[in-house]
Amino acid sequence: DGGITQSPKYLFRKEGQNVTLSCEQNLNHDAMYWYRQDPGQGLRLIYYSQIVNDFQKGDIAEGYSVSREKKESFPLTVTSAQKNPTAFYLCASSILGVTYNEQFFGPGTRLTVL
Amino acid sequence: DAKTTQPPSMDCAEGRAANLPCNHSTISGNEYVYWYRQIHSQGPQYIIHGLKNNETNEMASLIITEDRKSSTLILPHATLRDTAVYYCIVRVENDYKLSFGAGTTVTVRA
Repeated sequence: DGGITQSPKYLFRKEGQNVTLSCEQNLNHDAMYWYRQDPGQGLRLIYYSQIVNDFQKGDIAEGYSVSREKKESFPLTVTSAQKNPTAFYLCASSILGVTYNEQFFGPGTRLTVL
Repeated sequence: DAKTTQPPSMDCAEGRAANLPCNHSTISGNEYVYWYRQIHSQGPQYIIHGLKNNETNEMASLIITEDRKSSTLILPHATLRDTAVYYCIVRVENDYKLSFGAGTTVTVRA
């Protein structure tokens, strides 16, 4: 089945630790995205990438880092510099070069920092 | 991107049509209207999009006013599984970013 996988579904970390969230897609999409969602709020864009080895900051990139070494993978690292990391993190992907752009989302990772 | 305004919540009876309004009075000529929905604790799901003509697919219909300043998403026969947060998003053609607001929480009741 084609789709986007995120692991793990739930993640707990101690304050001050870096943590990496996984995102893999087998849809052959060029673009990938990371969003953060806080309770009762909409999604906010953290980083996005349109091509391997290239990525751009979104609206709330501070305290986060990403890499795009493979087309299929776009891991997100939540660093200790992120002041309030507890949130629901969503990864998405889309094709490029079309008039409209439907983003396909993964199931999300719920991160809790203790 | 133009800002959108949606009611925070609405209820709908199962089997009836659900009409979800969205105001986007500052929309530009090259901006599309998109609708996504998010079922609790899941990733958002694309529903439909349009520029100026009304659109229909297997999930919903999108009605855009002639001046394009507002639109309505119609779920023709709402089911309990349609309970979700519905997001109306306005985006420039070929812009790869989506800006999600708080959306409308739709509760379908039996």
